[in-house]
Amino acid sequence: DSGVTQTPKHLITATGQRVTLRCSPRSGDLSVYWYQQSLDQGLQFLIQYYNGEERAKGNILERFSAQQFPDLHSELNLSSLELGDSALYFCASSALADYEQYFGPGTRLTVT
Amino acid sequence: ELKVEQNPLFLSMQEGKNYTIYCNYSTTSDRLYWYRQDPGKSLESLFVLLSNGAVKQEGRLMASLDTKARLSTLHITAAVHDLSATYFCAVDLPRSKTSYDKVIFGPGTSLSVIP
Repeated sequence: DSGVTQTPKHLITATGQRVTLRCSPRSGDLSVYWYQQSLDQGLQFLIQYYNGEERAKGNILERFSAQQFPDLHSELNLSSLELGDSALYFCASSALADYEQYFGPGTRLTVT
Repeated sequence: ELKVEQNPLFLSMQEGKNYTIYCNYSTTSDRLYWYRQDPGKSLESLFVLLSNGAVKQEGRLMASLDTKARLSTLHITAAVHDLSATYFCAVDLPRSKTSYDKVIFGPGTSLSVIP
């Protein structure tokens, strides 16, 4: 158990809908990362927050947004969902901004 | 644009044998990570390599980094079945001399250790 929690574990929704994925980092970790893993695109870095501020941005679509709250938990919002958004979404946390990351169990999103 | 390649993508090896997985990347970086992922599971951090010449070992796995060659290796010694998993390397893309922009993952190497 990495200490990073993600909810929900599974999510099934329809195209065009909007969902929110939640992540709680390990106690004391200030940095949160979001990743998408799919069969065709592999593991892709989406976005990183450090102590509430956006620190780095990867291949995150405009339909996706994220934020980190004062209690350091983070949410990833996915809107206007398409079939191709079906994937595993991982959250990771680290103590420092650029260091070893601990991954959560992931949220499996299925868009039908 | 930073590209990260892994070789081989699939590896089937016998227990007790040694083998090396290679990770090449296309842009200067001195931060490289190795992760393990079991089927249907999350990623587990194995090694963090932060400088040229860094070498780290944990059990039957040893990782090294050559930033000049833009190459990292993950060496497996006397493989056992429990090492069967997918191994990913990941590289930080530098934004400036002291900060990094984003991390790029390799495609993964699927390792199967056969008794």
